[in-house]
Amino acid sequence: QKEVEQDPGPLSVPEGAIVSLNCTYSNSAFQYFMWYRQYSRKGPELLMYTYSSGNKEDGRFTAQVDKSSKYISLFIRDSQPSDSATYLCAMSVVRLQGAQKLVFGQGTRLTINP
Amino acid sequence: DVKVTQSSRYLVKRTGEKVFLECVQDMDHENMFWYRQDPGLGLRLIYFSYDVKMKEKGDIPEGYSVSREKKERFSLILESASTNQTSMYLCASSFPQGMVTEAFFGQGTRLTVV
Repeated sequence: QKEVEQDPGPLSVPEGAIVSLNCTYSNSAFQYFMWYRQYSRKGPELLMYTYSSGNKEDGRFTAQVDKSSKYISLFIRDSQPSDSATYLCAMSVVRLQGAQKLVFGQGTRLTINP
Repeated sequence: DVKVTQSSRYLVKRTGEKVFLECVQDMDHENMFWYRQDPGLGLRLIYFSYDVKMKEKGDIPEGYSVSREKKERFSLILESASTNQTSMYLCASSFPQGMVTEAFFGQGTRLTVV
């Protein structure tokens, strides 16, 4: 079983729709939860991060973490064609020494249709 | 702006060749990572380094080695390339700020082994 599971899609929605992207995970030690966005032929870029459970909002984007269910979500309101990309969830544990490893989901390919 | 530069965007190599993928970052980051990205599998960590000459195996190190002689440079080596190493390779770097590690990615190297 993968540590982090994410539906790869593809997901196609009309412009203006609310988009919900989700990941589940099995490692209860994960404490930091991130969403990366990857445009075609580019490297991933950090979109949002959250620590522990709860919601975090940034403009049209809301990240939600439910540690009791081991489930995280990213909501995109008023979706735009420019939001078309692959969205990857990523998680990490806290390490006292050395680098924090990120564990990624498979990525969901999202297309917003004008 | 943080810049992570990978030496090649596209590479074609023959089976059995020794392959070097180079990555340079310009932000004095301590941590550097090599991932490979495959459809349906997401990003998988090959190796990472948290200091010069320090390295740790990731989840899929078999068939790969790394070298970090200088802080800004992290090389991935395929000792004897095989067709199952055909993939997109992504380098990343990070500097821990507090407890959150944002990874900055390069553009990726698409390697084809024939």
